[in-house]
Amino acid sequence: NSKVIQTPRYLVKGQGQKAKMRCIPEKGHPVVFWYQQNKNNEFKFLINFQNQEVLQQIDMTEKRFSAECPSNSPCSLEIQSSEAGDSALYLCASSGTGGSQNTLYFGAGTRLSVL
Amino acid sequence: GQQVQQSPTSLVLQEGENAELQCNFSTSLNSMQWFYQRPGGSLISVFYNPSGTKQSGRLTSTTVIKERRSSLHISSSQITDSGTYLCAMERGYNVLYFGSGTKLTVEP
Repeated sequence: NSKVIQTPRYLVKGQGQKAKMRCIPEKGHPVVFWYQQNKNNEFKFLINFQNQEVLQQIDMTEKRFSAECPSNSPCSLEIQSSEAGDSALYLCASSGTGGSQNTLYFGAGTRLSVL
Repeated sequence: GQQVQQSPTSLVLQEGENAELQCNFSTSLNSMQWFYQRPGGSLISVFYNPSGTKQSGRLTSTTVIKERRSSLHISSSQITDSGTYLCAMERGYNVLYFGSGTKLTVEP
């Protein structure tokens, strides 16, 4: 069973507001991912970190999101100015490195509704 | 376009029947994973399967990387198997690209 903890479970924001969500990865997992799952079940990779460093991110994340994974603190993903199209389930996942340790373990997600 | 194609989109079975779910990848990949998700639930990793066949209880996954395909076989389905099964491929940095899922409904 996954031990990735995401908060809050639900988040409601108005357009233009900031939306921030947090993730505590499984203990000992140095790699953290953020994905967006929309209402059509489509997944979009947003960003990943190894320890505190960004490995990869997509353009949208670079422009409108800020994310960090400080040591000894939860990872966070923040949308600077929420748009209606940002309404989705935001999933955090963590993994080890190498071979079968690459298995991703997901949290329960933060469901964001932008009104 | 979709890099990961899953079929069927949905499947309805009677309890005890077997299910075969397919996943095809349009590009080369390093590895793949199968996940299970209940409505409103988190993703649960079912198999990490870079290649070959793996079995866990009633579930068997077979991946042929060179042919860019993977299958998930569920034998003797149970009502509790109902949910969405997603496959995902990995091409680098452990970033996953997901299919749209197969929604499985097992009826009594």
